[in-house]
Amino acid sequence: KAGVTQTPRYLIKTRGQQVTLSCSPISGHRSVSWYQQTPGQGLQFLFEYFSETQRNKGNFPGRFSGRQFSNSRSEMNVSTLELGDSALYLCASSLVANRGLDYGYTFGSGTRLTVV
Amino acid sequence: QKEVEQNSGPLSVPEGAIASLNCTYSDRGSQSFFWYRQYSGKSPELIMFIYSNGDKEDGRFTAQLNKASQYVSLLIRDSQPSDSATYLCAVPLFSGGYNKLIFGAGTRLAVHP
Repeated sequence: KAGVTQTPRYLIKTRGQQVTLSCSPISGHRSVSWYQQTPGQGLQFLFEYFSETQRNKGNFPGRFSGRQFSNSRSEMNVSTLELGDSALYLCASSLVANRGLDYGYTFGSGTRLTVV
Repeated sequence: QKEVEQNSGPLSVPEGAIASLNCTYSDRGSQSFFWYRQYSGKSPELIMFIYSNGDKEDGRFTAQLNKASQYVSLLIRDSQPSDSATYLCAVPLFSGGYNKLIFGAGTRLAVHP
């Protein structure tokens, strides 16, 4: 059974540019969440999608956006990149997330974004 | 108060000892609790989950939950150098009608021979 696939693994971008990251969840998983991980802030929740709808959003500026397609694949976009956006971006998928989140999340390998 | 709190460590234990990792959470309505292990340069990996008060054992790992005290812990028995990693506690918080999984800052564990 294939795991969560994130592409690309590494990216180097210049300040002011925009970037799109991709995530393919485990087959059958309909919930996809995105996290930003930095040494200083740890794992910070960005947003969660289920059936192409954003159901939850973390405390990030509007430059961070995402979407989910009908096949559950998800993309996140960061516009007008800043140096502080340099981080590991992790995607995680889960079975249907009801109250209790019984199944936990499976993470992809992440995309390491460096903004110069 | 942070939603999920952990001591950042590092927690240093000798090989063969018991490592005890602790986590507190703020949402009394949380129903399930997860422990992830993250090796340096890798993504988090789910190692334990617990839903009911008490203990849950899986091999060398034991998760302990006390909902009244809003406290969850992870014990690693017979610690090995390969257990050296950051351990993340994760708790679903109910927001806007749905859950979002919130992580603690993680506790770095170092097992020395």
